[in-house]
Amino acid sequence: TQLLEQSPQFLSIQEGENLTVYCNSSSVFSSLQWYRQEPGEGPVLLVTVVTGGEVKKLKRLTFQFGDARKDSSLHITAAQPGDTGLYLCAGASGWSYNTDKLIFGTGTRLQVFP
Amino acid sequence: EPEVTQTPSHQVTQMGQEVILRCVPISNHLYFYWYRQILGQKVEFLVSFYNNEISEKSEIFDDQFSVERPDGSNFTLKIRSTKLEDSAMYFCASRVITGEQYFGPGTRLTVT
Repeated sequence: TQLLEQSPQFLSIQEGENLTVYCNSSSVFSSLQWYRQEPGEGPVLLVTVVTGGEVKKLKRLTFQFGDARKDSSLHITAAQPGDTGLYLCAGASGWSYNTDKLIFGTGTRLQVFP
Repeated sequence: EPEVTQTPSHQVTQMGQEVILRCVPISNHLYFYWYRQILGQKVEFLVSFYNNEISEKSEIFDDQFSVERPDGSNFTLKIRSTKLEDSAMYFCASRVITGEQYFGPGTRLTVT
């Protein structure tokens, strides 16, 4: 069974601080996606990483895919209260276009205080 | 920007009743999915659907569940006889051939 563990589960920081969220697995994924989810809403896609070692930047957010495609990280620079939310990583489990269900991580709930 | 839509946003039903959750995927997408999220738990895969048939289903997706694409736009999830443990948020997602999955806002199903 493929599992994705995220750490930390909860993170409370002050505005302006930097933070990193980790997403780890013993399984290899064909790609990994990061989503943000607000209470009572669906996950909203932030980024997809596909190549081992890949780094993608989205304004103050930096996403990295591990060389072995088993882990990923999300780094936020100078966090703002608007970054508050639940961050989910999700790995695509299959290597065929027809079998790429997403395996979701356990989630990291981020609270940024002004 | 195109988005996945789902109806209803909230459905309350009694145990044993049938429910149909509806989704309108993004129009040029070809792959469709249902996931569910029990309160406080992870998002879990239920089923994937392509070319008018199920591609893969999880252990959760037993004989009480079925999916259908009755026309060119809708994608439905039917639960034949709901149980208390079916209470959850149900999310529809869709994608193009090589793209990421985009999720709808979800339907909150409450079984009493």
